[in-house]
Amino acid sequence: ETVLTQSPATLTLSPGERATLSCRASQSLSTYLVWYQQKPGQAPRLLIYDASNRATGIPARFSGSGSGTDFTLTISSLEPEDFALYYCHQRTYWPWTFGQGTKVEIK
Amino acid sequence: QLQLQESGPGLVKPSETLSLTCTVSGGSISSSSYYWGWIRQPPGKGLEWIGSFYYGGSTHYNPSLQSRVTISVDASKNQFSLNLNSVTAADTAVYHCGSINNNDVWGHGTAVTVSS
Repeated sequence: ETVLTQSPATLTLSPGERATLSCRASQSLSTYLVWYQQKPGQAPRLLIYDASNRATGIPARFSGSGSGTDFTLTISSLEPEDFALYYCHQRTYWPWTFGQGTKVEIK
Repeated sequence: QLQLQESGPGLVKPSETLSLTCTVSGGSISSSSYYWGWIRQPPGKGLEWIGSFYYGGSTHYNPSLQSRVTISVDASKNQFSLNLNSVTAADTAVYHCGSINNNDVWGHGTAVTVSS
């Protein structure tokens, strides 16, 4: 099973600051990594697919990078609506797996 | 526009079977463009993948649930279903169904509590 390890567990920042979230995989995923955003009581929302491609309708302040085993989600300037949980997810290997999540909270 | 809606009982007794249905609208479940599947989120915990299938292909399950879970498809109704047997309190969660590709669509989710 491919283990995804996200860091940090919690990121405490102010609106307008830059957020950098990390996801490390236990084996190479090439570039097949996905990032989701989730808010309380809502379904997960796909932000990034194939490590660096924004999904439809996702603002340009969200960007993804990385390949192999190390991946990064960057939010260039936090908006109030960006404070949420973020999960990385791999669909390269069965079973599909999620990271444990990073909470981005308001300072 | 593709939409998915979960339905099923919100309360299931321990040792019984949890059964949920996902109804797809705005697109066909027999489309070759998507995987379809289920995820869940226990209270206060992260996302857990349950299982996924490609119409006309194999179904894959989370090994931790494989002995108890079945995902089935009714293309005539444009629905797919989740059956999880021998449930315990650890299966209490919000369950989401989804279409999975580079523009995922997920249902709002349905909360299931396992309790006597």
